[in-house]
Amino acid sequence: AQRVTQPEKLLSVFKGAPVELKCNYSYSGSPELFWYVQYSRQRLQLLLRHISRESIKGFTADLNKGETSFHLKKPFAQEEDSAMYYCALSGAGPSSNTGKLIFGQGTTLQVKP
Amino acid sequence: EAQVTQNPRYLITVTGKKLTVTCSQNMNHEYMSWYRQDPGLGLRQIYYSMNVEVTDKGDVPEGYKVSRKEKRNFPLILESPSPNQTSLYFCASSPSSSGELFFGEGSRLTVL
Repeated sequence: AQRVTQPEKLLSVFKGAPVELKCNYSYSGSPELFWYVQYSRQRLQLLLRHISRESIKGFTADLNKGETSFHLKKPFAQEEDSAMYYCALSGAGPSSNTGKLIFGQGTTLQVKP
Repeated sequence: EAQVTQNPRYLITVTGKKLTVTCSQNMNHEYMSWYRQDPGLGLRQIYYSMNVEVTDKGDVPEGYKVSRKEKRNFPLILESPSPNQTSLYFCASSPSSSGELFFGEGSRLTVL
């Protein structure tokens, strides 16, 4: 079954510390993976996607097919990074064209001053 | 401004009283979907639509209906709401099946 697992409900770090939000997935085909972020009182928005291989707001994520992981990393956390982060998997429907996303449970990142 | 708009943003209702949550997008996106967000469960897809008059069930469709008569609108209908439908609901749209979803601000529904 297709599934996305984010093992940590809450991750609390101090400003300037490195951050790694874990994401593991289960999917038999070639997955497309995303990280979405929800800042306080704002709508959910795309942070980055693995096919872009880009860095957004200092965050990066590498798809590791061997470990079926897509962990989100940032070397130095900032207070404005505090938010809820969701890992998501696409291509999870009966057809890869459904556009459906399977979301993980979400991890709240709390960056303390 | 390109966006997805949901209404109402907040609603308290009683069991059995039919309600509709509207969703409209002005980006000419073909794909639209509804999710509910519950603590510890993340976002779960309720229904989705690939285009006008094309809809299908997501993971948790029970108790919900949708329609897609126009490209821009995708209302979520609760014919007979129950307390287990108390949740935060998100509408989303996408220009394709690319996986990049554009979300509305959410509608917080409480069913007493």
